[in-house]
Amino acid sequence: DVKVTQSSRYLVKRTGEKVFLECVQDMDHENMFWYRQDPGLGLRLIYFSYDVKMKEKGDIPEGYSVSREKKERFSLILESASTNQTSMYLCASSPLGGGSTEAFFGQGTRLTVV
Amino acid sequence: AQSVSQHNHHVILSEAASLELGCNYSYGGTVNLFWYVQYPGQHLQLLLKYFSGDPLVKGIKGFEAEFIKSKFSFNLRKPSVQWSDTAEYFCAVNAKAAGNKLTFGGGTRVLVKP
Repeated sequence: DVKVTQSSRYLVKRTGEKVFLECVQDMDHENMFWYRQDPGLGLRLIYFSYDVKMKEKGDIPEGYSVSREKKERFSLILESASTNQTSMYLCASSPLGGGSTEAFFGQGTRLTVV
Repeated sequence: AQSVSQHNHHVILSEAASLELGCNYSYGGTVNLFWYVQYPGQHLQLLLKYFSGDPLVKGIKGFEAEFIKSKFSFNLRKPSVQWSDTAEYFCAVNAKAAGNKLTFGGGTRVLVKP
């Protein structure tokens, strides 16, 4: 089974802190994604990566950055956390396939910024 | 504006009732279509997907979806729901016109009363 593991299930951080969310996948997938999930808004894409050291902005990249130094690991960074970044963050991975392949999701990290 | 629309945010129904969840998208051209489900406390998982061929797609747990190209729709159906179908359901579209990013609808929370 494909496994996508997010390092924390729950995080509480203070406004202005730098926050790192880590994601690791074990299936040698080329593509990795970060989404945030908010009630009524579904999942919104923050950033994605299709190869090591490659990244593309999603629909809501402001206030976030990412890092992919190794194929299996994709990190989301909140440079200076704000209360409007309180949300559920989901990491996903998928193999190459031009959009026709299934994405596999981690359990999510519920981040609260106080 | 969201490019993937799910008509209902919340649906409540009794066991054995039939379920239909609407999904419309706004992309032209080639699309790949997905329905994901998130059971309480669990990660998102794939219910079914459409890439090409027969527009009526069968997925896991008795779900099916019909792709109607002329209506830009991909509605999810189940003839007889069970209490265990209580979950949040997300429609997702991967469109070449959108750079092959997987875009989600706002989600529909389904509550099945025993």
